[in-house]
Amino acid sequence: AQRVTQPEKLLSVFKGAPVELKCNYSYSGSPELFWYVQYSRQRLQLLLRHISRESIKGFTADLNKGETSFHLKKPFAQEEDSAMYYCALSPTGTASKLTFGTGTRLQVTL
Amino acid sequence: DTAVSQTPKYLVTQMGNDKSIKCEQNLGHDTMYWYKQDSKKFLKIMFSYNNKELIINETVPNRFSPKSPDKAHLNLHINSLELGDSAVYFCASSQDIGGGKNTGELFFGEGSRLTVL
Repeated sequence: AQRVTQPEKLLSVFKGAPVELKCNYSYSGSPELFWYVQYSRQRLQLLLRHISRESIKGFTADLNKGETSFHLKKPFAQEEDSAMYYCALSPTGTASKLTFGTGTRLQVTL
Repeated sequence: DTAVSQTPKYLVTQMGNDKSIKCEQNLGHDTMYWYKQDSKKFLKIMFSYNNKELIINETVPNRFSPKSPDKAHLNLHINSLELGDSAVYFCASSQDIGGGKNTGELFFGEGSRLTVL
């Protein structure tokens, strides 16, 4: 069975500081990994997926199969990045079997 | 132009009661889901329907019964509510791209906060 671990419940950084939200997974096959974000008073929404290799709102995430990790990074945090971030795994690339981590709250302070 | 809408947003009720949460999506998606988010923000899938057919049914008490009258609607009915049912319930949908696969992107509703007293 697949599992997604986000070790930090809360990550507090200063504006302008680098951000790294950790995500580790366990799955025997080749999964697809996603980051979802929930801003205050907004819906949970897709931020990025590893297969797209894209940078969204300055965030990037690289799939490291050796370390089974998919950490989310941003070089300079902004106040508007404050939100709840969920890492998610799909064993087949379908949303039908998305498994979410427990989430990390990112707090960016001045 | 709300994509995935759930009603009600808030629901406070007594133990033992029966309640329903409704969900509708106007995105033309083929698959709809119910997720439960507990007090620790853990998000876990409960059910998934594809074109009105149940395709995922996780370990959920049979007091929970989803109903999909058409592919745009997925309602959740809960019988004999218990304190542990207090949570935020999220409806979501996704689009098939053929071959039983989809994009991996879920479109979520705003959530329905259920409080059982």
